Amino acid sequence: NAGVTQTPKFRVLKTGQSMTLLCAQDMNHEYMYWYRQDPGMGLRLIHYSVGEGTTAKGEVPDGYNVSRLKKQNFLLGLESAAPSQTSVYFCASSYSRRTGEGYNEQFFGPGTRLTVL
Amino acid sequence: SQQGEEDPQALSIQEGENATMNCSYKTSINNLQWYRQNSGRGLVHLILIRSNEREKHSGRLRVTLDTSKKSSSLLITASRAADTASYFCAPSGYSTLTFGKGTMLLVSP
Repeated sequence: NAGVTQTPKFRVLKTGQSMTLLCAQDMNHEYMYWYRQDPGMGLRLIHYSVGEGTTAKGEVPDGYNVSRLKKQNFLLGLESAAPSQTSVYFCASSYSRRTGEGYNEQFFGPGTRLTVL
Repeated sequence: SQQGEEDPQALSIQEGENATMNCSYKTSINNLQWYRQNSGRGLVHLILIRSNEREKHSGRLRVTLDTSKKSSSLLITASRAADTASYFCAPSGYSTLTFGKGTMLLVSP
């Protein structure tokens, strides 16, 4: 099992360009997440999905869009990249939570390092 | 917000010593999770402790949870250089996990 994979691993964009980050998981997880990690800020949730065809906003959703057309894939799009979006992006997945219980452990991908000039 | 706050921000010890890091949070939770992140890598789940548990062990890891004080601690016994990493706590209630800024642990040979 590959677990959670992310493509690409590195990318440099110019301001205003667009791109899509792809996350794939082979664990049949219902939930998937996109985070960004900046120095001194910890991980911040951008968007997440609790199932195929569903998406929801996280803590810092502005400037990003997502789609979950297939259960195993979660795409993160930047329509018009800005220097403030320079960051390391992590995708994660987990099993769905049972009623009344907290969220389950998350499995993380290796990250995508994005630089916007 | 359920965000956990880790303390200390950084910790430097010698191999063989124990490392203790703490996590505080503000709202009620169903479970609390600890993760490790090696430099340049994704986070790796270490342990999950439920709100009705007070202590949990996994290998050299010992986690405690005090829901009355809204705090948790992670103890790594007999630290190794390979334990050098950042450690994050993530309280979980009815909203998604929220990660703090982490404790950066440096274990010197």
